[in-house]
Amino acid sequence: DGGITQSPKYLFRKEGQNVTLSCEQNLNHDAMYWYRQDPGQGLRLIYYSQIVNDFQKGDIAEGYSVSREKKESFPLTVTSAQKNPTAFYLCASKTTGGLYSGNTIYFGEGSWLTVV
Amino acid sequence: AQTVTQSQPEMSVQEAETVTLSCTYDTSESDYYLFWYKQPPSRQMILVIRQEAYKQQNATENRFSVNFQKAAKSFSLKISDSQLGDAAMYFCAWKGTSGTYKYIFGTGTRLKVLA
Repeated sequence: DGGITQSPKYLFRKEGQNVTLSCEQNLNHDAMYWYRQDPGQGLRLIYYSQIVNDFQKGDIAEGYSVSREKKESFPLTVTSAQKNPTAFYLCASKTTGGLYSGNTIYFGEGSWLTVV
Repeated sequence: AQTVTQSQPEMSVQEAETVTLSCTYDTSESDYYLFWYKQPPSRQMILVIRQEAYKQQNATENRFSVNFQKAAKSFSLKISDSQLGDAAMYFCAWKGTSGTYKYIFGTGTRLKVLA
């Protein structure tokens, strides 16, 4: 089945540790996104990538890094510089073609990250 | 900067009744897209309905419909014949068309469906 797969579903990070959240899609979408969701807030954009080997910072990129070496993969690394990383992380993707379908993003099931 | 506001943190509706969730937005662009996403307890975001700003006709998807008032910058979601499975967080989102890839989300409305 086509879709967006995020792993792991739950992740625990120790202080000072880097962790990587995986996001894989088999929808042949060009653009991919990472959002962070905190209680009582909407989704905030961390990074997005329109094509392979290119990505841009979103509104809250500090303390995070990404790579886009393959079209189907967009991993997010939460570095030790991110002081408050406990949150729910959502990966999303969209095609860049088509006036109608090209403007809808589709989401993975999300990953919970907790600092211990 | 564009903003999306959902002023109702929580709403309740009796099963089989109708409920309307509010969303307002601020933009200087004339062409854009608006969306409603549902986030059930599983936390996966699911597209409910979308609207292109250039279309005057309100979008409908089965029991879900929108009231799009472009001049008022309002985009409300109406759920008819509410079902227990409709209980979720609902997020309103905006996306421009002028080369931006950013989607702006509201803070969400939690909908409770009472049996």
